[in-house]
Amino acid sequence: EIMLTQSPATLSLSPGERATLSCRASQSVSSYLAWYQQKPGQTPRLLIYDASKRATGIPARFSGSGSGTDFTLTISSLEPEDSAVYYCKQRYNWVTFGGGTKVEIK
Amino acid sequence: QVQLQESGPGLVKPSETLSLTCTVSGGSISSYYWSWIRQPPGKGLEWIGDIYYRGTPNYNPSLKSRVTISQDTSKNQFSLKLSSVTAADTAVYYCARERGSGSYPFDYWGQGALVTVSS
Repeated sequence: EIMLTQSPATLSLSPGERATLSCRASQSVSSYLAWYQQKPGQTPRLLIYDASKRATGIPARFSGSGSGTDFTLTISSLEPEDSAVYYCKQRYNWVTFGGGTKVEIK
Repeated sequence: QVQLQESGPGLVKPSETLSLTCTVSGGSISSYYWSWIRQPPGKGLEWIGDIYYRGTPNYNPSLKSRVTISQDTSKNQFSLKLSSVTAADTAVYYCARERGSGSYPFDYWGQGALVTVSS
């Protein structure tokens, strides 16, 4: 089973700041990685797929990068509505999710 | 617009079988992959398994012995059965569409169904 480790567990930043979220895989997943956003009480929403492709309707401030074992989700300028838990997910070998990073807006 | 809706009992007794159905509208299940994912209260996401039209289901190895996923194309539905449930299976269960290439992203999700395992 491929394990995904997300860091930090919690990120507390002010509006307008840049958020950098990390996802590290226990073995290479090539570019078969996606990112999801889940707000409290809501269904997860697809943000990024194939490591760097923005899903339909996702604002340009969200971007993904990386390949192999190290991936990053960047939110270039935080908005209050970006407060959520962010999960990475791989589909190279079955499907596993990371434990999530909670982004708090000060 | 594709929509998914989970349905089934919200309360299941320990040792019994949890059964949920996902009804898909706005698109045919005779394409794409269709997945079940669960989320225990206050915890992260866990993939249960998926199924592709005319294909063999894929299951999370940790749940494989207890899971069955099937589809009914005439009703545009797919279903989940999880046997021998315990309190650890209490979770919100989501069905989702999975684009069948690359990172297989889950691009459409149901609203989720809370299933509680309790006597």
